Amino acid sequence: EMQVVESGGGLVQPGGSLRLSCAASGFSFSDFWMYWVRQAPGKGLVWVSRINTDGTTTSYADSVKGRFTISRDNAKNTLYLQMNSLRADDTAVYYCTRGVDLWGRGTLVTVSS
Amino acid sequence: DVVMTQSPLSLPVTLGQPASISCRSSQSLVYSDGNTFLNWFHQRPGQSPRRLIYTVSNRDSGVPDRFSGSGSGTDFTLKISRVEAEDVGVYYCMQGTHWPFTFGQGTRLEIK
Repeated sequence: EMQVVESGGGLVQPGGSLRLSCAASGFSFSDFWMYWVRQAPGKGLVWVSRINTDGTTTSYADSVKGRFTISRDNAKNTLYLQMNSLRADDTAVYYCTRGVDLWGRGTLVTVSS
Repeated sequence: DVVMTQSPLSLPVTLGQPASISCRSSQSLVYSDGNTFLNWFHQRPGQSPRRLIYTVSNRDSGVPDRFSGSGSGTDFTLKISRVEAEDVGVYYCMQGTHWPFTFGQGTRLEIK
């Protein structure tokens, strides 16, 4: 079964850091662009970042540029999102996606003092 | 960024009746290869989004044929021929032609 499973969410203070992970299985991870999407409580969906198949090309939403870093380890079939200088408005469920067709269940990040 | 505008934002529907959601983009979604990367998603409360339709009109595996997508350029529509109870939730259009990809605001479908 093809799936992606996020982990690493939790409660963090403003200005703090967190690293999210996404474990992929059931498909050839290294063949796909991977993405992070977030959804603030009760709000809509927003694309956060993307990375190409070998990790050499990355893109970010303006709201996270300079604070978040996407990366991948194809040997471990794992996607990462390093989040620094976190703010209250980063509070959201973060979804890992393979392209736009395969989504994880998400991991909740709460930024609060 | 491409702005995706959905209407209506709230859609009360009687079981067995049809439903239609409109989605307009602020610029053409036709990619350089000729494809139009317009997708439709459905999200139930507490669940992750599920893609229903890709490249305007293609249903994903397992999606009932009562769902159909149409449109071109900047105007797109999702239609449900006969609404069932399991169709409640929020529907999003999403463009994957221009980065950053963008979603519409969402349309909440409820049963009258």
